[in-house]
Amino acid sequence: DGGITQSPKYLFRKEGQNVTLSCEQNLNHDAMYWYRQDPGQGLRLIYYSQIVNDFQKGDIAEGYSVSREKKESFPLTVTSAQKNPTAFYLCASKQGSGQPQHFGDGTRLSIL
Amino acid sequence: GENVEQHPSTLSVQEGDSAVIKCTYSDSASNYFPWYKQELGKRPQLIIDIRSNVGEKKDQRIAVTLNKTAKHFSLHITETQPEDSAVYFCAASLQDTGRRALTFGSGTRLQVQP
Repeated sequence: DGGITQSPKYLFRKEGQNVTLSCEQNLNHDAMYWYRQDPGQGLRLIYYSQIVNDFQKGDIAEGYSVSREKKESFPLTVTSAQKNPTAFYLCASKQGSGQPQHFGDGTRLSIL
Repeated sequence: GENVEQHPSTLSVQEGDSAVIKCTYSDSASNYFPWYKQELGKRPQLIIDIRSNVGEKKDQRIAVTLNKTAKHFSLHITETQPEDSAVYFCAASLQDTGRRALTFGSGTRLQVQP
């Protein structure tokens, strides 16, 4: 969906380093989500936010942090506490109840 | 929490045949069931969804059926074409709650042989 932009497309992390993945949407959606996808597996929820200045942990939040200072932006920080960060990270957004989620193109994170 | 199981993990069919992918869910309160198609290295794309107030929905060659009593739903693709080859994910969620996030199945890799 052209309205959800993730950057960068590829990212490399050194040991002990924090990295931040960007997710921006111009769809005026209230809710935003971060998922992690490992090879051959489904998507697992990391964090979600229904409204500005509010966010909740998902199923695998340990080692990650987020912020939601603006409606259109929901950055994800992968901290050094996340010992296995190599994965494909997908950001999604939706307008409200009963509406489908739409995804960005993803960021592929690898360890150097 | 919700748990979604998806079968089979891989499916190979001949072009023109039908393909069926099945999912079961654990939370009887779930009421929204989308299906996503993901090509290699790309974003998941919504292909069809169904809500719990209907039992079946069709869109051209794609259909989804829902059995609330048994807590399972299925994706049916008829007259398969090589471009249908991708990984398909089912998902479930309870709309109108605080979370409204999807729980995904583990995916089915569909290969359509020409």
